[in-house]
Amino acid sequence: RKEVEQDPGPFNVPEGATVAFNCTYSNSASQSFFWYRQDCRKEPKLLMSVYSSGNEDGRFTAQLNRASQYISLLIRDSKLSDSATYLCVVNGRDDKIIFGKGTRLHILP
Amino acid sequence: GAGVSQSPSNKVTEKGKDVELRCDPISGHTALYWYRQSLGQGLEFLIYFQGNSAPDKSGLPSDRFSAERTGGSVSTLTIQRTQQEDSAVYLCASSLALRGGWNFGPGTRLTVT
Repeated sequence: RKEVEQDPGPFNVPEGATVAFNCTYSNSASQSFFWYRQDCRKEPKLLMSVYSSGNEDGRFTAQLNRASQYISLLIRDSKLSDSATYLCVVNGRDDKIIFGKGTRLHILP
Repeated sequence: GAGVSQSPSNKVTEKGKDVELRCDPISGHTALYWYRQSLGQGLEFLIYFQGNSAPDKSGLPSDRFSAERTGGSVSTLTIQRTQQEDSAVYLCASSLALRGGWNFGPGTRLTVT
């Protein structure tokens, strides 16, 4: 099993819709989880951390399910500007930070 | 500057030449990571530093790759005898702690001809 796995997509979603995607991780001892956003030919930028109790930042909600070892990202009222690749980040063994390969999201006008 | 900086932003080199890529992390950030990303691909872990120490070098693709960090600050990634498959964007990221959120530099786009 890969350390961090994401559905590569693309997810093609109409503007205004709600979209959610998951990321699974293999190391049950992982403690830190993040969602990053990467625009085409740009560096990844931190979108939000993921806390055990779940957290929300505007239209974005992140959740952690330790029992099933996955994190999720939900985007409500999607905007054209949300089109990007969303990277799941988990700290693995020996504190090595592992990036998923990303989920591509296309918001359609 | 406020963010992570990398230089050069672009590097074109001939196969067989050596290259040095530089990363200036955010001041005070003790953890520093190097990744590379080929076109349309995910991030490939190369090496990380905690202070000046590199506990995990397992991601370095071959012995042509090496990295060092001095003074707990600037890091240099060196690729010797470059090959065409080394062409990629090399990204550096720093954080206050290993488990913190990461700030990425803009990357160095390396093209080996």
